[in-house]
Amino acid sequence: QVTLKESGPVLVKPTDTLTLTCSVSGFSLSGPRMGVSWIRQPPGKAPQWLAHIFSNDEKSYSASLKSRLTIFKDTSKSQVVLVMTNMDPADTGTYFCARAVAATYVSAFDNFGEGTVVTVSS
Amino acid sequence: QSALTQPASVSGSPGQPVTISCTGSWNDVGGYGQVSWYQQHPGKAPKLLIFDVYHRPSEISDRFSASKSGTTASLTISGLQPEDEADYYCSSYTDTSTLVLFGGGTKVTVL
Repeated sequence: QVTLKESGPVLVKPTDTLTLTCSVSGFSLSGPRMGVSWIRQPPGKAPQWLAHIFSNDEKSYSASLKSRLTIFKDTSKSQVVLVMTNMDPADTGTYFCARAVAATYVSAFDNFGEGTVVTVSS
Repeated sequence: QSALTQPASVSGSPGQPVTISCTGSWNDVGGYGQVSWYQQHPGKAPKLLIFDVYHRPSEISDRFSASKSGTTASLTISGLQPEDEADYYCSSYTDTSTLVLFGGGTKVTVL
């Protein structure tokens, strides 16, 4: 059974750095075509894709947020980490990690974590 | 990069079909076969309904079908049921520097 679970702070201050961890089970982060994305969803709005890490450790970022994002994984711990710098109240929302089985053309996320709510406020 | 365009809302009576459109460009929906659709109930994570334009995961009801023509993809829910009331999002691979685009979402109301 494939599961993903996000963890991290519930509340951060403006200008803080956010670190979120996605712990996965039921598949290997080094398995063929196995990748994980971070996706966020502001309250009442559509999901926004943030970053993806492929099985071969190649990374891809949202163009609009690239300067603030870092994604990496620890395969031995089955964890994918997202770091987002210079947090702003506009970054408030639910952050999901999701699995995509794709070598190149990522689109379909077949499993999501339940999400973690992050509020940015002083 | 702009989100994919979806109607804000659609509605239908139980048993009727509804169709949701998702319009992009030749850099995403029109140029690739990686279009997906998701259903999201309030407070829940999105659930994959359709991948690669029209393929359904085995656990998804065949009441959900999808297609693509040019730069517009479509999701049809046939035989609308009360539990289908939810938000629906399309997504697509894009060959721009952003890997994945989502649509703005469509709220489906069962009358």
